[in-house]
Formats: sequence, structure tokens, C-alpha cells
Amino acid sequence: GEDVEQSLFLSVREGDSSVINCTYTDSSSTYLYWYKQEPGAGLQLLTYIFSNMDMKQDQRLTVLLNKKDKHLSLRIADTQTGDSAIYFCAEKGGSYIPTFGRGTSLIVHP
Amino acid sequence: SAVISQKPSRDICQRGTSLTIQCQVDSQVTMMFWYRQQPGQSLTLIATANQGSEATYESGFVIDKFPISRPNLTFSTLTVSNMSPEDSSIYLCSVDGRTGEAGNEQFFGPGTRLTVL
Repeated sequence: GEDVEQSLFLSVREGDSSVINCTYTDSSSTYLYWYKQEPGAGLQLLTYIFSNMDMKQDQRLTVLLNKKDKHLSLRIADTQTGDSAIYFCAEKGGSYIPTFGRGTSLIVHP
Repeated sequence: SAVISQKPSRDICQRGTSLTIQCQVDSQVTMMFWYRQQPGQSLTLIATANQGSEATYESGFVIDKFPISRPNLTFSTLTVSNMSPEDSSIYLCSVDGRTGEAGNEQFFGPGTRLTVL
């Protein structure tokens, strides 16, 4: 079946940029998502990108998609302590249910 | 967007007992889902709760262990039956928003953190 992989942890200094990477296997992926989960809360859609796009920018967030390599990344510019959370990569192709990665815990330290 | 609430937010239970988790949505939605989130693991879909018919379970999950109700388009329950410590997890309710351009964005409840002793 489809698989989504991401590293489990990322630690950055406040003010630096964070880059969270994700790889997926489903070649029929149509939508790719980044969800954010803050402690004690459910997942919240942060941003998404269509599979026919290479890049999407939304304020401090930049999503890059390399469809050939099936690689997705999320860049957070000027990372703040409030950005500390778990970030989930997800993809959706033929199924109406997205496939999620295991989540990357982003730790921002002063 | 859809606003989803879950009850209880957390519970500590004894093995062998059962817990029913409630999910309430502020608008009518066609599709409701139940996920399990274990530490360091991806979100695992347990089942799709169907209104007016039995839930559709994913591989590895069965109705006897996780009975689900969906009496209407805004409410669902998930029961974790005959619990063991391996059932300790966060259980998330989710709905298919069918709004916007994000390919039917899914909205998530805050989760129910279950600990089984």
C-alpha cells in the first residue's frame, strides 16, 4: 500500500529556518498536505499543494514538491517557539482517505 | 470549516473494561472517521462511520473490538471494548469537510487520550 515517510525529530534555534522533509510512494497522489498538531490538540491543516505544482508559498511557509522523486518539504522561515509542534505529511490520491506519515516533532529552542 | 468536539478528553481505565468516546460536529457531514494515534506512529484509520449502516473497518480492526455508532449526520461514538494496555493511545474523530479547494480537507477533533492500566 501507500507509504509516507518523515523523520521523527527536528530541533532548530529560534529565528532560524526549519525544513521538514517527507517522501511518499503513491504515484497517483493528487493532493499533498501538511498538518500541524499542537500539544493536546487535534490536527489542523496548515497548507497543501496540488500534485501539478512545484512550490507554494504562504507567509512564512514554503512547500516544495518534487513529483519525480516523490519528495515534499515544508520550510518555516523565522521559526518561533510557537511553531513547536508535530507536523504531519499526508497524501491523497485515488482514495478519499489521506495517508499520513508518522509526524515530525519540531522543537524550537532559544 | 467544521468544529469537532470529543468526550472525554482523556481517561484512565482498567484492563478488561470498555470506554465509549463521543464525537460531535457542529454541522452535518457525510463522512466521519475514527483514527488511532500511537506515539511515534502514523495516524491509523480504524473505520469510517456510516450513517444508517454499519461502519466500514480497516484491515486489523474489527467491530467486536471497536463498535461504532452513527445515529445521525452530526454525531458518532467509538467504543474500545475489553481494553488492554496495548489500547493506550489517542483516538481522533475526523470529518470530511468537502469544502474549499484542498481536495476535501479533513478536520480533526482534539482527541481522546486513553491510558489502560
